[in-house]
Amino acid sequence: RKEVEQDPGPFNVPEGATVAFNCTYSNSASQSFFWYRQDCRKEPKLLMSVYSSGNEDGRFTAQLNRASQYISLLIRDSKLSDSATYLCVVNEGDTGFQKLVFGTGTRLLVSP
Amino acid sequence: SQTIHQWPATLVQPVGSPLSLECTVEGTSNPNLYWYRQAAGRGLQLLFYSVGIGQISSEVPQNLSASRPQDRQFILSSKKLLLSDSGFYLCAWSSTGGGMNTEAFFGQGTRLTVV
Repeated sequence: RKEVEQDPGPFNVPEGATVAFNCTYSNSASQSFFWYRQDCRKEPKLLMSVYSSGNEDGRFTAQLNRASQYISLLIRDSKLSDSATYLCVVNEGDTGFQKLVFGTGTRLLVSP
Repeated sequence: SQTIHQWPATLVQPVGSPLSLECTVEGTSNPNLYWYRQAAGRGLQLLFYSVGIGQISSEVPQNLSASRPQDRQFILSSKKLLLSDSGFYLCAWSSTGGGMNTEAFFGQGTRLTVV
């Protein structure tokens, strides 16, 4: 079983649509969680951290369900510029360093 | 501000040749440093990490090695490349003691093709 699993997609949506990505992780001891964004042939960049109470950053909302070991990302009012691969990331390190375990990513294509 | 430099951006090497990829970080001290590899159609895999000079931890058995000769320098090497070493290699850093939600910053990556 993969440590972090994501639907690879692609998700093809029109501009303005709402789209949701899901992710499950296997290590119940994991303490912190993230969504990273990776544009084609570029390095990943942090989109947002995911907190237990859920958190929102503009059009993006992240949720965490520790009991189900499930993470989600909701994107509202999709823009063309949201087209990218979204990586679910789990930190299996400790406070001293980040041992980030990445999912394979979900590809999003937003069309006009 | 902190920056991370990684080079070269693209590399084509024959099977059996050596490899040396270099990564340097500016604007911070004693960072945690990481090497990841992303094979075609696959997720990022952590290869090595380092919490200090000369301290290297390997996550997976492989044909590669890493070294940290200076605080902000991280080098990925191989004595003899294999076809399976092809991929997108990414160096990253994070702050030491920044807490569980500390962000990791990635270099622009080296796209290695072994032929």
